[in-house]
Amino acid sequence: GAGVSQSPSNKVTEKGKDVELRCDPISGHTALYWYRQSLGQGLEFLIYFQGNSAPDKSGLPSDRFSAERTGGSVSTLTIQRTQQEDSAVYLCASSSKGGENTEAFFGQGTRLTVV
Amino acid sequence: GDSVTQMEGPVTLSEEAFLTINCTYTATGYPSLFWYVQYPGEGLQLLLKATKADDKGSNKGFEATYRKETTSFHLEKGSVQVSDSAVYFCAPRGGGYNKLIFGAGTRLAVHP
Repeated sequence: GAGVSQSPSNKVTEKGKDVELRCDPISGHTALYWYRQSLGQGLEFLIYFQGNSAPDKSGLPSDRFSAERTGGSVSTLTIQRTQQEDSAVYLCASSSKGGENTEAFFGQGTRLTVV
Repeated sequence: GDSVTQMEGPVTLSEEAFLTINCTYTATGYPSLFWYVQYPGEGLQLLLKATKADDKGSNKGFEATYRKETTSFHLEKGSVQVSDSAVYFCAPRGGGYNKLIFGAGTRLAVHP
């Protein structure tokens, strides 16, 4: 596609349920990042993929959070046993390589609301 | 660890006023520096970048100069427009795995 695509755009879930958030990066982009933006806060780094490997998972807030990437393309962020504090906008970004000079392109995000 | 400090918003200006949004950072190594903008209802998009000391990034009338000695990357625009109303994020990129480290963002509101 032309840009980074995320789905769903909005998700309302009950506390304790599991959710999956999907990211389709720009075709050919090997680097993929997940961020979380809570209301009134900046963007919090969650995890970085280079290809299918995740060399940096340092931002995942707890073991309820996990992510995978397959075929060097689509990535899924899974949150198990959701809590109200998980409510946020989850953003995905991709870049053509992991180099520091390259632009990262962001998706529109998935707004997650845990009720 | 790496971090970014941006001036707190909201910043409220009249149209054609001069804008400065301060940004300072701490980072290991020699990061590239980015400003991203988030317009209402839209996703984050790159505004400008600078990749080495004394470089000036510019776009849409906005400018920012990479100041290594003061670890700063302040955003400026000489004459803001209502359409510039948005949230602006300063972000160094480098260090481990070249992730972008974002500041809290500064909301700008421009009134006619």
